[in-house]
Amino acid sequence: EDQVTQSPEALRLQEGESSSLNCSYTVSGLRGLFWYRQDPGKGPEFLFTLYSAGEEKEKERLKATLTKKESFLHITAPKPEDSATYLCAVLVYSGGGADGLTFGKGTHLIIQP
Amino acid sequence: KAGVTQTPRYLIKTRGQQVTLSCSPISGHRSVSWYQQTPGQGLQFLFEYFSETQRNKGNFPGRFSGRQFSNSRSEMNVSTLELGDSALYLCASSYGQGDEQYFGPGTRLTVT
Repeated sequence: EDQVTQSPEALRLQEGESSSLNCSYTVSGLRGLFWYRQDPGKGPEFLFTLYSAGEEKEKERLKATLTKKESFLHITAPKPEDSATYLCAVLVYSGGGADGLTFGKGTHLIIQP
Repeated sequence: KAGVTQTPRYLIKTRGQQVTLSCSPISGHRSVSWYQQTPGQGLQFLFEYFSETQRNKGNFPGRFSGRQFSNSRSEMNVSTLELGDSALYLCASSYGQGDEQYFGPGTRLTVT
């Protein structure tokens, strides 16, 4: 069974204090790994897609990396507006093409001014 | 370009009733997926439609069904509602299967 585990469950940082969120996965036939940000009461907002080990993507203060077993979302010098739940999801190959996304439970990030 | 829209945004139903939720994908997107989000289980895949055909289905009972129209708009239906069906139902669209999915704001369903 495909599994996606995110850690930590919650993280509180001071503004400007850099850190990393982890997403480890156990799947067969990874097609892609996706990072989303979700604000309370809203749908997830797409951030990055990573397809192969060694790949990196950057956007403003966020950088996502991928290995064969896990992905990291690095947050550099975060601001209060970066506070949100960050979700990791995997898409796997199946007999019918690609299955739906399997999500981790998320990391609830709070950035204090 | 307009994002994914979902209607209604909020819904209150009684146990045993049925409900239909609607989703309009981003223009040009042909794949629509539905997810259920609850505090306990997180985001769980319900099903995916591509070119009016259900391509994949998650591990949910047959009370959950959906369809897609020729303009890619999609509906999902839940029959014989149970209290445990209370959740945020999210629709996501993508250009094709396997591409990044863009989510709508969701429909908050409360079953009493």
